[in-house]
Amino acid sequence: QVQLQESGPGLVKTSETLSLTCIVSGGSVSSGGYYWSWIRRPPGKGLEWIGHVYYRGNTNYNPSLKSRVTISVDTSKNQFSLKLRSVTAADTAVYYCARDVAVAAIQRFDPWGQGTLVTVSS
Amino acid sequence: DIQMTQSPSSLSASVGDRVTITCRASQSISSYLNWYQQKPGKAPKLLIYAGYSLQSGVPSRFSGSGSGTDFTLTISSLQPEDFASYYCQQSYSTPKTFGQGTKVEIK
Repeated sequence: QVQLQESGPGLVKTSETLSLTCIVSGGSVSSGGYYWSWIRRPPGKGLEWIGHVYYRGNTNYNPSLKSRVTISVDTSKNQFSLKLRSVTAADTAVYYCARDVAVAAIQRFDPWGQGTLVTVSS
Repeated sequence: DIQMTQSPSSLSASVGDRVTITCRASQSISSYLNWYQQKPGKAPKLLIYAGYSLQSGVPSRFSGSGSGTDFTLTISSLQPEDFASYYCQQSYSTPKTFGQGTKVEIK
């Protein structure tokens, strides 16, 4: 079965770039019919969808973050990545990667990674 | 963006209780509503998709209902492993949005 695992620094300095990678095992990022998403949850707040990427490189982002976000895919390494620029304390959150399933126009996130806490601090 | 509002934000219940969690969308989303369960330190797990379809491997005590703007997740007989947080998510339009969550605690 498909498993996802986030990796990256747990601490990022204010105004710098947050970079995370999601390693996919048990399946291929090149499988058609799936997007690959990033989602986050700031402390004490709800879940926020950041954006997703298709294996061909097509992306879609949450308008609230679009100006600062890049999501990319590396099919040779079977992984996808998140870059969030110019971070502030408000970007402190647990970041999750997830497979974005859309079959017959019915979308859901399944499965998810365990999540990784990223703290933004000066 | 479509706003998703869950209620209650938390509840206390006993093993064997019937539990109902409500999710309301700020506009009609047909049946494009998913439910997830999350335990502390664990990945969220898909329970229900498209309003009422049970994800493979999920116990039948979980059920979903509703359409339009009002949806319900029901646990027919609460089990010890069900104490967790539950989230709804609309898949009707982008950006996908989630409810704030409902924490189910032991009474």
